[in-house]
Amino acid sequence: GQSLEQPSEVTAVEGAIVQINCTYQTSGFYGLSWYQQHDGGAPTFLSYNALDGLEETGRFSSFLSRSDSYGYLLLQELQMKDSASYFCAALKAGSYQLTFGKGTKLSVIP
Amino acid sequence: DSGVTQTPKHLITATGQRVTLRCSPRSGDLSVYWYQQSLDQGLQFLIQYYNGEERAKGNILERFSAQQFPDLHSELNLSSLELGDSALYFCASSAGQGQNEQFFGPGTRLTVL
Repeated sequence: GQSLEQPSEVTAVEGAIVQINCTYQTSGFYGLSWYQQHDGGAPTFLSYNALDGLEETGRFSSFLSRSDSYGYLLLQELQMKDSASYFCAALKAGSYQLTFGKGTKLSVIP
Repeated sequence: DSGVTQTPKHLITATGQRVTLRCSPRSGDLSVYWYQQSLDQGLQFLIQYYNGEERAKGNILERFSAQQFPDLHSELNLSSLELGDSALYFCASSAGQGQNEQFFGPGTRLTVL
């Protein structure tokens, strides 16, 4: 099976940088996605890493190390609106499903 | 707005009952995925359809079933409902199969009393 571990909660100050880590255990791992979900809202796609390294999309970056079975989401210049839950999700090769971690609740404080 | 629609937005029913949740994918998307989200279990994948055919099954109970119709909309049927089935049910869609980028609908909140 697959399992993903991420911290349950993180608190950071507005304007700062925060890193949300995700470790995974999965056979046939294909890639790692990140989703954002505001309270009461739907998950929205943020980024995807299939290869090792850093992917940058505006204030958000995502990193993957396949050898370490580890990835992270980096949020820069934090804004109050970034307060949400962030999920890492693994795509398995040859499968059609995403397995999600339990999510990290990010609270941005003034 | 992701372009995925789900109805109803809220559903309150009693134990033992049966309900149907409906999802319309984004225009052009052939894959539909169903997820259950509860407080203690996070986002759990239930089932995926691609162009009318079942493609993958996750932790879906035998009391639950789904189908995708020729117009690509999908329905999730939940029967013999139990209190523990109370959750947020999301539908997502993507253009192809096995897509890492999925577009989620607003969800249906099911409350079983």
